[in-house]
Amino acid sequence: AQKVTQTQTSISVMEKTTVTMDCVYETRDSSYFLFWYKQTASGEIVFLIRQDSYKKENATEGHYSLNFQKPKSSIGLIITATQIEDSAVYFCAMSLYGNEKITFGAGTKLTIKP
Amino acid sequence: NAGVIQTPRHKVTGKGQEATLWCEPISGHSAVFWYRQTIVQGLEFLTYFRNQAPIDDSGMPKERFSAQMPNQSHSTLKIQSTQPQDSAVYLCASSPRTEKNTLYFGAGTRLSVL
Repeated sequence: AQKVTQTQTSISVMEKTTVTMDCVYETRDSSYFLFWYKQTASGEIVFLIRQDSYKKENATEGHYSLNFQKPKSSIGLIITATQIEDSAVYFCAMSLYGNEKITFGAGTKLTIKP
Repeated sequence: NAGVIQTPRHKVTGKGQEATLWCEPISGHSAVFWYRQTIVQGLEFLTYFRNQAPIDDSGMPKERFSAQMPNQSHSTLKIQSTQPQDSAVYLCASSPRTEKNTLYFGAGTRLSVL
């Protein structure tokens, strides 16, 4: 079984700044996948970025990057040069190798202020 | 590419009635997932299929919920004898063979049980 915890309920930052959202996970498996998804105000859920547990290099995708700290079971999402349209709820998620079931965290609501 | 299509977008049922929710995955995708989203429980995994075969239904309430995938172009989630606590947004997602574990979500069906 796996568990994903996002302790930040909401974050508010100014436009064009950098924001980090925290996520910790629990699993006894040695191979797993970590993800971040975004849910917009319209309800649409969109995949942003993933990190495979066996990769030491942090994943990056556009203005999204990850801070993967395996010993701490932590996978933070970093958004640089934030824009108003980045305002959304961000979900951290994980799945185990060999099983495609994805478990989501509770989500962090990000508000970007102009 | 039309994305994952879910119908209906909204469904209102009376307590004790049956509800059937439909999902059309993205053409060519080999896995279909069902999730339920509520304010209290967040995003809950229900079940998933790969190549139309049921793989993991560990999140399905056993007595009244069932899911099927009779062909590669659609899946259904049926809830018998609906109860007010079944009220939620039911989300369908699909993933391609080449990007296992990456989910593409539909817009969801909002089920309200009166």
